[in-house]
Amino acid sequence: GENVEQHPSTLSVQEGDSAVIKCTYSDSASNYFPWYKQELGKRPQLIIDIRSNVGEKKDQRIAVTLNKTAKHFSLHITETQPEDSAVYFCAASGDTGFQKLVFGTGTRLLVSP
Amino acid sequence: SQTIHQWPATLVQPVGSPLSLECTVEGTSNPNLYWYRQAAGRGLQLLFYSVGIGQISSEVPQNLSASRPQDRQFILSSKKLLLSDSGFYLCASRGSGELFFGEGSRLTVL
Repeated sequence: GENVEQHPSTLSVQEGDSAVIKCTYSDSASNYFPWYKQELGKRPQLIIDIRSNVGEKKDQRIAVTLNKTAKHFSLHITETQPEDSAVYFCAASGDTGFQKLVFGTGTRLLVSP
Repeated sequence: SQTIHQWPATLVQPVGSPLSLECTVEGTSNPNLYWYRQAAGRGLQLLFYSVGIGQISSEVPQNLSASRPQDRQFILSSKKLLLSDSGFYLCASRGSGELFFGEGSRLTVL
C-alpha cells in the first residue's frame, strides 16, 4: 500500500519568510496529492491539491509542486503570516473516491511576528 | 459542497464504558465515508472506511467498530473504552476527489 513521508516535523520561520514542506510517496499509481491545514483544536481543511497531470499549481501565496519521477511533492508558502501557523498534512491517493487518502505525519509551522 | 455533522462534540467517559459517535453527511449521495483518530499532537490514523451501506473495512485492529446503517450515516462504537481510545475523532466524506472532514468529536477516557 501507499506510504507517505513528510518533513520537517516542525518548522519555525519569521513573518515574511518562505516555508517549504516536503513529502514523498511510494505508490507510483497515486495521482492525487492534497494538502490540509489544521489549526489548533479544529478539523483539517483542504488548502490546495494537485493531480499528476500537472507539475505545479498556485493559489495566491500557496503553491504545490509535483515530481512524479522522483515521487515527491512540496508545499510552498511565500510571505508567511502569523495566521499561517498551524499543522500541515500532505496526502496521496488514487483519484477516484473509493481510494483511501494516506496522510503524512504532519508539519507544525510556527510563524513568528 | 458537502456538510458533515458529527456529534457529540466533546465527551468524557470512564474506562470500560460504551461509546457511540455519529456522523451524517449532506450535499452528496453514496459518499465514501471514513473515521480517523488523532491522538494529541499526532497525525491522522485511519480507523474505518465504507464504500456503501453495510460495507465496512477496518484498518487497525482495536476495540472499536463501525456501522453504516444508511447511505449518509456512519457510526463509530465501542463496547468497552480503554484509556488509549482518548483522542480527536474525525468523520470524513469523499466524493470524486476532495476529502471533507466533520468538526470532530473530542473523547477523553478517564
